[in-house]
Amino acid sequence: AQSVTQLDSQVPVFEEAPVELRCNYSSSVSVYLFWYVQYPNQGLQLLLKYLSGSTLVESINGFEAEFNKSQTSFHLRKPSVHISDTAEYFCAVNPKLNSGAGSYQLTFGKGTKLSVIP
Amino acid sequence: NAGVTQTPKFQVLKTGQSMTLQCAQDMNHEYMSWYRQDPGMGLRLIHYSVGAGITDQGEVPNGYNVSRSTTEDFPLRLLSAAPSQTSVYFCASSYLGTLYNEQFFGPGTRLTVL
Repeated sequence: AQSVTQLDSQVPVFEEAPVELRCNYSSSVSVYLFWYVQYPNQGLQLLLKYLSGSTLVESINGFEAEFNKSQTSFHLRKPSVHISDTAEYFCAVNPKLNSGAGSYQLTFGKGTKLSVIP
Repeated sequence: NAGVTQTPKFQVLKTGQSMTLQCAQDMNHEYMSWYRQDPGMGLRLIHYSVGAGITDQGEVPNGYNVSRSTTEDFPLRLLSAAPSQTSVYFCASSYLGTLYNEQFFGPGTRLTVL
């Protein structure tokens, strides 16, 4: 089984300041990692994902996340936030299994609400 | 493509009433799932399906039924609504041809049970 811990439920940050949203996971097998974003009153959208290869992955709107296997972490960062980044962010893991019901499971963290202050 | 669509967007029920939340996708995805989102709880899986005629339970299945008669549709039925089922419900779908499960989400249905 997998579990995901998002260490901060709410993160307020001033506009143009940097931000880090933390995500740690636990799993007995290797995992694929995802960050989803949920803007107010909307569904979840994929922000970025780590599948393999380079441990640093980037999104089109300036977010990046780094996979750290030894620390079982996948923290999300942005060097300068905008008002439009105000949203809830969810970290999720999907086990690397070749087949079976377990390979479909996507386990989510409880979310971090990012509030960007003008 | 419309992606994943859900109806209705909002619904108010009285305790004991039944209803069906609709979900459809036009991406020919094999995998479809239902989640509920409650404050501070993240998303919890209710039921999922890996193809027409195949469904299985998730983490919180009690009080909900599903069926999958076509690839496109995956309705969620509340048999006898309870206040504990007040939540926001999301449907999601994904393609099973890759090794990872990247899910696409609908806009959600906000349900209140009085």
